[in-house]
Amino acid sequence: QKEVEQDPGPLSVPEGAIVSLNCTYSNSAFQYFMWYRQYSRKGPELLMYTYSSGNKEDGRFTAQVDKSSKYISLFIRDSQPSDSATYLCASMNRDDKIIFGKGTRLHILP
Amino acid sequence: DTGVSQDPRHKITKRGQNVTFRCDPISEHNRLYWYRQTLGQGPEFLTYFQNEAQLEKSRLLSDRFSAERPKGSFSTLEIQRTEQGDSAMYLCASSPPAGSSEQYFGPGTRLTVT
Repeated sequence: QKEVEQDPGPLSVPEGAIVSLNCTYSNSAFQYFMWYRQYSRKGPELLMYTYSSGNKEDGRFTAQVDKSSKYISLFIRDSQPSDSATYLCASMNRDDKIIFGKGTRLHILP
Repeated sequence: DTGVSQDPRHKITKRGQNVTFRCDPISEHNRLYWYRQTLGQGPEFLTYFQNEAQLEKSRLLSDRFSAERPKGSFSTLEIQRTEQGDSAMYLCASSPPAGSSEQYFGPGTRLTVT
């Protein structure tokens, strides 16, 4: 079992819809949780960074972490075609070594 | 541009050749990381530096791989006797001094071994 599991998709939704991306993790020692966005042939871009459980909102993006169920979510409101990318969820304990999921490919249909 | 930069962006080499990649972190970031990403996978940790000290190396980093950060600024990753299985995107990330664990990635170097 990989430490961070993520459905690779692809996930296609119409423009303007709310997108829900999810992943699970297995290592209880993870304390930091991240979402990165990666466009084709580009490096990952940090979108959201949270410590421990709870919600964090930044513009159209909301990240949720539930440590009791080891579940990480990212919600995108009012989705735009420019949101089409691969979204990588990631976790880390205090050793600075990020463990990534495989990424979910998202297509926003105009 | 004050982000992480990597050079070259693309490298095509023949099997058995040596290649070297360079990473320039964000100014004043003292931690620097190397990851490798293959198609359809998330990045995988290779190694990391705090200042000039290499603190951890993944089991993925075989003896053919070596990384340096001699003055605690830029870093190089060298692969000797390249194999086709080394074909991947090599990503560098940097992180500010202790207090924040956020890692910011560069654009990557895409290596193709023929």
